[in-house]
Amino acid sequence: DTAVSQTPKYLVTQMGNDKSIKCEQNLGHDTMYWYKQDSKKFLKIMFSYNNKELIINETVPNRFSPKSPDKAHLNLHINSLELGDSAVYFCASSQAVTGANVLTFGAGSRLTVL
Amino acid sequence: GQNIDQPTEMTATEGAIVQINCTYQTSGFNGLFWYQQHAGEAPTFLSYNVLDGLEEKGRFSSFLSRSKGYSYLLLKELQMKDSASYLCAVKDSNYQLIWGAGTKLIIKP
Repeated sequence: DTAVSQTPKYLVTQMGNDKSIKCEQNLGHDTMYWYKQDSKKFLKIMFSYNNKELIINETVPNRFSPKSPDKAHLNLHINSLELGDSAVYFCASSQAVTGANVLTFGAGSRLTVL
Repeated sequence: GQNIDQPTEMTATEGAIVQINCTYQTSGFNGLFWYQQHAGEAPTFLSYNVLDGLEEKGRFSSFLSRSKGYSYLLLKELQMKDSASYLCAVKDSNYQLIWGAGTKLIIKP
């Protein structure tokens, strides 16, 4: 039973299209995240939600819009895709933000923009 | 700015010991994490240090010196399956995780 599941695993699309990535966790965690990992392998936080409320919103283009319908789900919608959006997007969850809260990651969604 | 430095790549021999270093400069400190990431897979948690000293967990140990802004991950009795990237991450004063770019460890027979 997958703890953090995200779909789709692979996404190939044209510039200018709109796409969504879905994420669900069954760990009962309060906090969920979206990370972007580029070709240089840096993991960059994009957004974080705690109990459906946005708590971290890094400087990402407003073409990226997260949505958390409940604390077990955090989806990412991307409008007007650009070449630079090509990356692996990881969803993650943790019990909270403070302390030794370990992140559990989903398997990643590899987005390729042509 | 905030910065995490790790070597880009290291090579070691099966059965040997390897030490992966991490130095950090962050605004505040609320713990340091090591994660392992196999190619094409998600990062998985290895260790957490918040106080100075050595934490041992089986073949893996992690050390922290807060005064030096320094940590290392020690892997003993290396196995081929240990070939992966090892990511160092520090929680800053806002409890935000700052990640290093990772160290790609190549294990040779």
